Amino acid sequence: NAGVTQTPKFRVLKTGQSMTLLCAQDMNHEYMYWYRQDPGMGLRLIHYSVGEGTTAKGEVPDGYNVSRLKKQNFLLGLESAAPSQTSVYFCASSYTPGPHRGNIQYFGAGTRLSVL
Amino acid sequence: AQSVTQLDSQVPVFEEAPVELRCNYSSSVSVYLFWYVQYPNQGLQLLLKYLSGSTLVESINGFEAEFNKSQTSFHLRKPSVHISDTAEYFCAVIPYSGAGSYQLTFGKGTKLSVIP
Repeated sequence: NAGVTQTPKFRVLKTGQSMTLLCAQDMNHEYMYWYRQDPGMGLRLIHYSVGEGTTAKGEVPDGYNVSRLKKQNFLLGLESAAPSQTSVYFCASSYTPGPHRGNIQYFGAGTRLSVL
Repeated sequence: AQSVTQLDSQVPVFEEAPVELRCNYSSSVSVYLFWYVQYPNQGLQLLLKYLSGSTLVESINGFEAEFNKSQTSFHLRKPSVHISDTAEYFCAVIPYSGAGSYQLTFGKGTKLSVIP
């Protein structure tokens, strides 16, 4: 059982280049999330999805787009990368929140992105 | 909206000494509470959670946290730390229901360094 898998693990981009980060989960979770982690900032939510074909903005969505064409996959795209997008990106997934179940999110290992 | 404050960004402690990592939160609604741990160059792993019931919750590796509703705190403690506990610890909350019930709000993290 792989859980949440992120690809690639590392990437270096030049300013203005585009790329897509892939997140795949094999736990049949409805909810998926993209976060970015910056030193001293904790994790901040970029976009999330509550089901196949649906996406919504989180706390810091500017400069990113997402797609959830299949339930198990959640893609994060950078159309024109900027140095401010240098960060570690984490994908997470969870079951539908419910009473006394909360919302336990399972995280991938992360993608380290540097934009020069 | 919710906010989480982790009062210490770094905590050095000698091996076999006790440790407490402090977490306070602010929310206008009831929340579930979590502690996540991030080992170097890895993703986040759920350490423990408070959903309901006993306000003292424990993890399998000796950590415990106590939910104090009146003080809006969820401090993490361990009576005797090991070198392997060196990691960054994140406190997080999520509302019971309604808008945002799937969005974790994280603190900025506390780096625990265990000194031999």
